Amino acid sequence: DQQVKQNSPSLSVQEGRISILNCDYTNSMFDYFLWYKKYPAEGPTFLISISSIKDKNEDGRFTVFLNKSAKHLSLHIVPSQPGDSAVYFCAASEPGTYKYIFGTGTRLKVLA
Amino acid sequence: ETGVTQSPTHLIKTRGQQVTLRCSSQSGHNTVSWYQQALGQGPQFIFQYYREEENGRGNFPPRFSGLQFPNYSSELNVNALELDDSALYLCASSSGGQQSSPLHFGNGTRLTVT
Repeated sequence: DQQVKQNSPSLSVQEGRISILNCDYTNSMFDYFLWYKKYPAEGPTFLISISSIKDKNEDGRFTVFLNKSAKHLSLHIVPSQPGDSAVYFCAASEPGTYKYIFGTGTRLKVLA
Repeated sequence: ETGVTQSPTHLIKTRGQQVTLRCSSQSGHNTVSWYQQALGQGPQFIFQYYREEENGRGNFPPRFSGLQFPNYSSELNVNALELDDSALYLCASSSGGQQSSPLHFGNGTRLTVT
């Protein structure tokens, strides 16, 4: 049972435009969510997080939105840059546990 | 600030053998987690160590075991290797005991079992 789903395996966006990456989850107990970026031959790099008490968190070009009623979160990258081309993973955890459940990833390609 | 380092970067083993993977956590972090990432999948939680004790375990058999040392470095041991154990093994460190704390990953060890 996939508790965290990234239904788009890939996404292509023109440089300078907005990239929107989506993530759905099924476990209503999840209260902390993260986004990671992964380049080939490197480990995932932490981008941004959001707690379930918020519905938005911003850090520079990256904004994460959380819709608890829809069990949906999204990562917006504005403006997109070629260096943003990577695989993006969302992850979630329950309170009092120490494991993160990851989605299967979305490969973003930013076209110059 | 020293990041998470893992060794070796690549490893080839034969089915039935045993393997040990090593991880040094980021300075200031005392919690280490191990994840397995199969091709085309997201990382899957194996277990976590905090203050040298196993602090949580995912859905992996007992032949996956680990250790954490007083300097917070860690080892992942896998016995009786199977072909399906071929994957990228990721170590991540975080601030001790705080559940809402991002994981900081190393670059992983690519294990191939033939």
